[in-house]
Amino acid sequence: DAGVIQSPRHEVTEMGQEVTLRCKPISGHDYLFWYRQTMMRGLELLIYFNNNVPIDDSGMPEDRFSAKMPNASFSTLKIQPSEPRDSAVYFCASSLDTRLGQSWETQYFGPGTRLLVL
Amino acid sequence: KQEVTQIPAALSVPEGENLVLNCSFTDSAIYNLQWFRQDPGKGLTSLLLIQSSQREQTSGRLNASLDKSSGRSTLYIAASQPGDSATYLCAVITGGSYIPTFGRGTSLIVHP
Repeated sequence: DAGVIQSPRHEVTEMGQEVTLRCKPISGHDYLFWYRQTMMRGLELLIYFNNNVPIDDSGMPEDRFSAKMPNASFSTLKIQPSEPRDSAVYFCASSLDTRLGQSWETQYFGPGTRLLVL
Repeated sequence: KQEVTQIPAALSVPEGENLVLNCSFTDSAIYNLQWFRQDPGKGLTSLLLIQSSQREQTSGRLNASLDKSSGRSTLYIAASQPGDSATYLCAVITGGSYIPTFGRGTSLIVHP
């Protein structure tokens, strides 16, 4: 398996523009997570999906952020409109639930998308 | 609210030393704890996962221990090598939630 795939790897945009980040999880994984990493706040979970259904989006900072998972092999994180404070590295991760819903096993991270909003 | 603290924030050691990285958490009702490695400009790579019922896990030169009652985990790196240079993060899953809480990491430099 190629692992978790994210695109684009780098994105530079101007304030007010729409940004769409994409993720392809590892085939067969039940869970998909979107994270944001900044120097100030470290790594934060934004939202996660189980079997394509959003389970917890309490980490999504504002209504400008939205995430979808139309099928088991694809997810998007959209920021509209983008602001300079959204500049960060956005990671997608996936995992397989092997404990009957009690927890998940190892999370596998993608390489991240480095977003710079000018 | 679960809080995860990692000490030290940064560490620089000569090659060959044995290292201990610390992770503490405030809520002991965890499902599991995971140690990750992050290289500059890269994503996270899982090193070890310890279930709440386990005391330790080992992989090669790495050994992670878990003491739930005291809210602590340690990552032991034996015979450190320059290739071990990276940031090491720990994350816990707290009971009733799938949401992981990450520490800020320990930045490790192993110099030849």
